[in-house]
Amino acid sequence: AQSVTQLGSHVSVSEGALVLLRCNYSSSVPPYLFWYVQYPNQGLQLLLKYTSAATLVKGINGFEAEFKKSETSFHLTKPSAHMSDAAEYFCAVSGGVYGGATNKLIFGTGTLLAVQP
Amino acid sequence: ETGVTQSPTHLIKTRGQQVTLRCSSQSGHNTVSWYQQALGQGPQFIFQYYREEENGRGNFPPRFSGLQFPNYSSELNVNALELDDSALYLCASSDASGPNYGYTFGSGTRLTVV
Repeated sequence: AQSVTQLGSHVSVSEGALVLLRCNYSSSVPPYLFWYVQYPNQGLQLLLKYTSAATLVKGINGFEAEFKKSETSFHLTKPSAHMSDAAEYFCAVSGGVYGGATNKLIFGTGTLLAVQP
Repeated sequence: ETGVTQSPTHLIKTRGQQVTLRCSSQSGHNTVSWYQQALGQGPQFIFQYYREEENGRGNFPPRFSGLQFPNYSSELNVNALELDDSALYLCASSDASGPNYGYTFGSGTRLTVV
C-alpha cells in the first residue's frame, strides 16, 4: 500500500524567506512522486514530479524537490517566498504502472502556506 | 492544446437526488480519474477509466458510478445523494502509454448537498 504524510498543516513564512514543505512517503514499489498547488476555489496545478530520473527535480515558479530514498522523503523547497506562493500544497504518490493499469494518486492532507509581507 | 474541462462549476442538490458531473479530458489523454476533495482534506481517489472501462476503484460505494466515452470524455454519477457527498469533485486526465505520464486536473465541480 502507498501513503503520504505531510508534516505541518499550516506553514507561515515571510516574503523572501526559504519555503520548506515536508513530505514523507510509503510505497512497496518504486514510487512516482508529485507536488501540486491549489489556489482557493481552483483545481490542482502540477508543480513538479519525480519519475525515477534525476533525484533533484525542478518545477515551475522556482520550486524544486529532492527525492531521498533513504529518508523516504520528497520535500518541496523554494529559496525565496513570494506573496503569490500563498496557497495549499499537496504531495502525492503513485505506483506508476504503465499501459493503463491503475495508477491512482494518493494525496497527503495538504499544507497551507501563508506568506507574510 | 486544451486542458481538462469540467461542468458544471457549482451545483446544489437535495439529499436523495441524483447528480451527473462531466469532464472533457485533455487532448491526447486516454485515461480519466475522478477524485473527491472534502473541505480541508486532500483529494480521495474515486475511480479511473481507461479506454471506456473502469480500471480501478477507491473506497466509494456503488452509488458512485461513471462512464467514459469514445472521445475519452467522462461522467461521474452519484445516486441517492447524502450530505457527506458535499465536496469538490476533480477530474484528472493522463496518457498512460509511457513512463513519464502526468495528470492534468480540471478546476472541479463544487457539489453542495442540502
